[in-house]
Amino acid sequence: GQNIDQPTEMTATEGAIVQINCTYQTSGFNGLFWYQQHAGEAPTFLSYNVLDGLEEKGRFSSFLSRSKGYSYLLLKELQMKDSASYLCAPVDSNYQLIWGAGTKLIIKP
Amino acid sequence: ETGVTQTPRHLVMGMTNKKSLKCEQHLGHNAMYWYKQSAKKPLELMFVYNFKEQTENNSVPSRFSPECPNSSHLFLHLHTLQPEDSALYLCASSQESGTPYEQYFGPGTRLTVT
Repeated sequence: GQNIDQPTEMTATEGAIVQINCTYQTSGFNGLFWYQQHAGEAPTFLSYNVLDGLEEKGRFSSFLSRSKGYSYLLLKELQMKDSASYLCAPVDSNYQLIWGAGTKLIIKP
Repeated sequence: ETGVTQTPRHLVMGMTNKKSLKCEQHLGHNAMYWYKQSAKKPLELMFVYNFKEQTENNSVPSRFSPECPNSSHLFLHLHTLQPEDSALYLCASSQESGTPYEQYFGPGTRLTVT
């Protein structure tokens, strides 16, 4: 079957760094998306990785290891507005996004 | 503002009512999606339309009926719903389905079935 595992909730301090991990098992693999979703709002695209390695985009970076079925999202210089849920979604052989339940990130002053 | 709009934003309906959710995208995309999001659960893909043709129906009960008259508009017709159907219904669009293009989401319709 297909399975996505990411922590339910994490807490971090403003200005710090946090890493949100995601492990996955899918039928085939065509890359992995990370989305951000603020409470009561729509998910918004953060990153897409299809090759192994780290992709950096401003304060956010995303890492992929296809052999390990593992990805992480790294958030630097945390701001209060980063409080949100972060959704990991690998793409299976049918090009369907398989969504995790999301990690709720709480930022404290 | 993602270029995908949904109406209504909130809907309360009884189990015997019939209502419709509307989604419109202004991005020139060819694929549109309906998702259900329940609290603390992963997004559940319900339907996919690619170039107005339905390509996915993930075992959704027949009380949910999609309609895609053109590539810019998507409807979800609801009838005789159950309380467990209460959730956030999200519409999304992408360049095409069958490829890993990013999906753009609308703000969702918060549905409560009483």
